[in-house]
Amino acid sequence: AQSVAQPEDQVNVAEGNPLTVKCTYSVSGNPYLFWYVQYPNRGLQFLLKYITGDNLVKGSYGFEAEFNKSQTSFHLKKPSALVSDSALYFCAVRANTGGFKTIFGAGTRLFVKA
Amino acid sequence: EAGVAQSPRYKIIEKRQSVAFWCNPISGHATLYWYQQILGQGPKLLIQFQNNGVVDDSQLPKDRFSAERLKGVDSTLKIQPAKLEDSAVYLCASSLEAADTQYFGPGTRLTVL
Repeated sequence: AQSVAQPEDQVNVAEGNPLTVKCTYSVSGNPYLFWYVQYPNRGLQFLLKYITGDNLVKGSYGFEAEFNKSQTSFHLKKPSALVSDSALYFCAVRANTGGFKTIFGAGTRLFVKA
Repeated sequence: EAGVAQSPRYKIIEKRQSVAFWCNPISGHATLYWYQQILGQGPKLLIQFQNNGVVDDSQLPKDRFSAERLKGVDSTLKIQPAKLEDSAVYLCASSLEAADTQYFGPGTRLTVL
């Protein structure tokens, strides 16, 4: 069965410092992995995805994520955090067979302090 | 390119009443999804359509929830009768095909009193 874990409910970081939001997953076969961001009273906004190829994926707003197959992880990173990055971040995994059902993690709230 | 449209944005009803939500996906997107997002949780898939056919409705509480996607374009999700635990944000998303990236609408926040 598919599952996604985001072990941290909240991540606090100072503006200008690097940030990491963690995600681990479980899925049969090769995974499709996604990161979405959600601002207050808004829907989820797509940031980046991994399907195949280079383990380091670059996405919107300077975010990137590293796929690690041996650790079944897909951590979201940014070299220098901005106050405007403060939001709720969701990791998601999809099997690449069948109905391609997507499972979302519970979310991690990122708080960037000025 | 226009995004996924949803209405209404907010709805407050009494328990046992009925409610309906509407979604218009991105033009040309064959796959449409309805998710339920309870406060503090990630979105949970309720139903997935491929054109006007249902691909997955395994987590849809069929005794009270129903959804349709007539003509394979826009879709409605209905709850009848509503319960207190249905209070949540209902998100609609669409993708070109099932294997593609999903794009989300702004959601409908439902409060059941």
